[in-house]
Amino acid sequence: HSALTQPASVSGSPGQSITISCTGASSDIGTYSLLSWYQQHPGKAPKLIIYEGNKRPSGVSNRFSGSKSGNTASLTISGLQAEDAADYYCCSYAGSNTLVFGGGTNLTVL
Amino acid sequence: EVQLVESGGGLVQPGGSLKLSCAGSGFSFSGPGMYWVRQASGKGLEWVGRIRSKANSYATEYAASVKGRFTISRDDSKNTAYLQMNSLKTEDTAVYYCTSTYYYGPGAFDIWGQGTMVTVSS
Repeated sequence: HSALTQPASVSGSPGQSITISCTGASSDIGTYSLLSWYQQHPGKAPKLIIYEGNKRPSGVSNRFSGSKSGNTASLTISGLQAEDAADYYCCSYAGSNTLVFGGGTNLTVL
Repeated sequence: EVQLVESGGGLVQPGGSLKLSCAGSGFSFSGPGMYWVRQASGKGLEWVGRIRSKANSYATEYAASVKGRFTISRDDSKNTAYLQMNSLKTEDTAVYYCTSTYYYGPGAFDIWGQGTMVTVSS
């Protein structure tokens, strides 16, 4: 199963909003609602920030939000803060009890 | 404290074998599925495979890139999951994370270990 497609990098200034896209296919994002997003700082393990497409785990800031349209999922971060600078990964159920990650997006806070 | 701790990484020659362990604590280890995810240096995350719970017959699934070479198992009495890696290739070099979907259900990896490095090189 091919990796989901994410932009390699995005950037924004403090206080602004940015959106990271995650494009898959009808066999993964287009069909299933098990879409999650992870934040990873350098040298650290990933951290779950969105699950089931648009739900936030306890303790995750409401500045993070998720959505989906067709075969594309999106992560929006509003009110950018310096600490949001990290790599972000989407992950989708891909059928046959398998999962697939996106290639990752590096967020720079200018 | 809820945590997963991986161990067993190291340097191995191509064609060799290595077995990773993942010890859980602070939560009901036997309940959720246990997963392995890897990350080559400077690269993205790659799902490796999963073992389900006893209630789901310890069923396993693997990514195509490792199927037939890697085996996931678990010993709930020891709160430990394992990743047996055989016929290792240089492209298997990566940090290997174990993770679980304990709090938020299928597809939501909410507990992660710190990772263990596996280097496949001659």
